[in-house]
This record gives sequence, C-alpha cells and structure tokens, in this order.
Amino acid sequence: NAGVTQTPKFQVLKTGQSMTLQCAQDMNHNSMYWYRQDPGMGLRLIYYSASEGTTDKGEVPNGYNVSRLNKREFSLRLESAAPSQTSVYFCASNAISTDTQYFGPGTRLTVL
Amino acid sequence: AQKVTQAQTEISVVEKEDVTLDCVYETRDTTYYLFWYKQPPSGELVFLIRRNSFDEQNEISGRYSWNFQKSTSSFNFTITASQVVDSAVYFCALSEANNAGGTSYGKLTFGQGTILTVHP
Repeated sequence: NAGVTQTPKFQVLKTGQSMTLQCAQDMNHNSMYWYRQDPGMGLRLIYYSASEGTTDKGEVPNGYNVSRLNKREFSLRLESAAPSQTSVYFCASNAISTDTQYFGPGTRLTVL
Repeated sequence: AQKVTQAQTEISVVEKEDVTLDCVYETRDTTYYLFWYKQPPSGELVFLIRRNSFDEQNEISGRYSWNFQKSTSSFNFTITASQVVDSAVYFCALSEANNAGGTSYGKLTFGQGTILTVHP
C-alpha cells in the first residue's frame, strides 16, 4: 500500500517549457487535490477533483490545468512554465469517510 | 472566506521544554473541520489530528495535546517534554463541510506554518 505517489521528485524547467506532474493513489479515495507550497505562505489549493470525472479550481489555478484520468490518477499540467511557478507541489487524496487528507511526498519544481 | 492564522513564525526551545503552537481561524460556516499537519525536514506532510466543529473536547495523544476553543476560534497544539525529533514545520488547516454533516471535499485552507526547532 503505497498511499499517494508523485512523479517526478525534482524537475528543472526553462521559462516557456511545459510539463505534467503525475499523481496516483491506491487508497480508493474519491477526492484528489493539487497544492503548491511557497515559503512563508503555507500550502495553497490549485485544483481539486471531488470525484472521478469532475475538476474544479482552487485558490490559485492560473497557469495550470488538470486531468482526472481515472479514480486513481490526477495530473497537473503547466503549459508554459514561468519563474513564478517555482514551488513545491503536493498531491493529496481524501478519505470521505474520515474527511482526512493524505499527501504525497511532493515535487520540487524550479523554473529558470 | 476562510482564513487560518499561525502568528508564531518560528519557535526555538530546548529539549524537554513544553511548547504551544497557536492557531486562530475564521469561517462563516457552522460545520467545519480543523487539522494539524507536521512537515519534518524530509518534506512530507504528516497528518496529526482532525477535529470537527461539534466536538470541543480536548484531545491528548502521548506527548501531544490539542485545545479547541470555539469561543475564541482557536485550535492550539501543545507538545509536552519536547524532543529533537519534534523539530519540524507545523501547519494548522481548516476545511468547511459542504452541507450540514456532509463532507468538505477536503479543500484545505492552511496557515503559514510555524517552524519549531528543538535544541538538544
């Protein structure tokens, strides 16, 4: 039981490049989320998916897109990376029965 | 809109001291959930506790205890007899239920975090 997994762990991009961050959970959770963590600002919600087939914007969605590929997988795409998107990205999934959110190990992204 | 404030940016203590991390929240909902997460130097986020707005009982788990006071919108976290392994960033977070007794879809609003350093 791996919980929530994320790939890659680290990534360096140049301004304007695109990439997709992958997230998968094996806990049969319905809801999944993407957050970004910046120094001194805690974590902020980018997008979430309450259930398979649905996605909604969070607090800071600009510059990102998401895909809920199936119940297990939720990807985050940066179409044209900008230095302001340098951050640590966390994926999470939610156990509705306990309303508790479990996080992946994070992806550290640097945009030059 | 929801808001979570952790006024203490950094706390430094010596091992075996007790330490309290403060958390104050704002919400217009009557049903909500409060959480504490720990982020050790390795970077992962570790769930510590969840409390719903209808349960104001304080909770103790080993050296950890939590004091939820609805009247002051606070959910403080105390570590008794701190240890070096407690050194981490601690986050308080809030989510609102989508309806009475329903789920929140887990949209967490985090505080800025408190960096706790425990010196030997």
